[in-house]
Amino acid sequence: GESVGLHLPTLSVQEGDNSIINCAYSNSASDYFIWYKQESGKGPQFIIDIRSNMDKRQGQRVTVLLNKTVKHLSLQIAATQPGDSAVYFCAESPLGDYKLSFGAGTTVTVRA
Amino acid sequence: KAGVTQTPRYLIKTRGQQVTLSCSPISGHRSVSWYQQTPGQGLQFLFEYFSETQRNKGNFPGRFSGRQFSNSRSEMNVSTLELGDSALYLCASSLDGNEKLFFGSGTQLSVL
Repeated sequence: GESVGLHLPTLSVQEGDNSIINCAYSNSASDYFIWYKQESGKGPQFIIDIRSNMDKRQGQRVTVLLNKTVKHLSLQIAATQPGDSAVYFCAESPLGDYKLSFGAGTTVTVRA
Repeated sequence: KAGVTQTPRYLIKTRGQQVTLSCSPISGHRSVSWYQQTPGQGLQFLFEYFSETQRNKGNFPGRFSGRQFSNSRSEMNVSTLELGDSALYLCASSLDGNEKLFFGSGTQLSVL
């Protein structure tokens, strides 16, 4: 079946550098995309979302880019901090599906 | 505003038993979803409820069931527990189920 996946299972980043986490999806019917951060012992925490009628959306220190042509989603984190160390998940959903399909996750480690 | 509350936080059961997990959504949220998280399978959708109606269901056996009450609280039940049911069970709520799911901290179920 179709699924959402991340390109790399792990990412090591120097504190202060920018991070880019990539995600590929295969469901062409996907209309809604979302990024979550999960810290150990906690549930996924909402970071940012984007609908398919947009190709870029910015939040506080984060930017999500959507390329529908190649079915690619990315999360950019500016000036990465130690508190950004976590597992990051992308997820997608077709409109009206009422469910999210999650990728496998990327573990981000921030080096001091 | 209080977040999504899940109880209990931890559960230990033996094979063949049944278990009921509880979820209180964010005030005003009418959609509640349940997900199973395991190291091997990642985050998998179980079901979604809105106004006491199940609108979507994941690919899980009939031993997994849920319901939603008129106050939007939700419970999920797993009967005849198997070792493979050991997982973190996450509840998420949203306004209408179409976007921005907010997750609770989960219930960690161990089946011995």
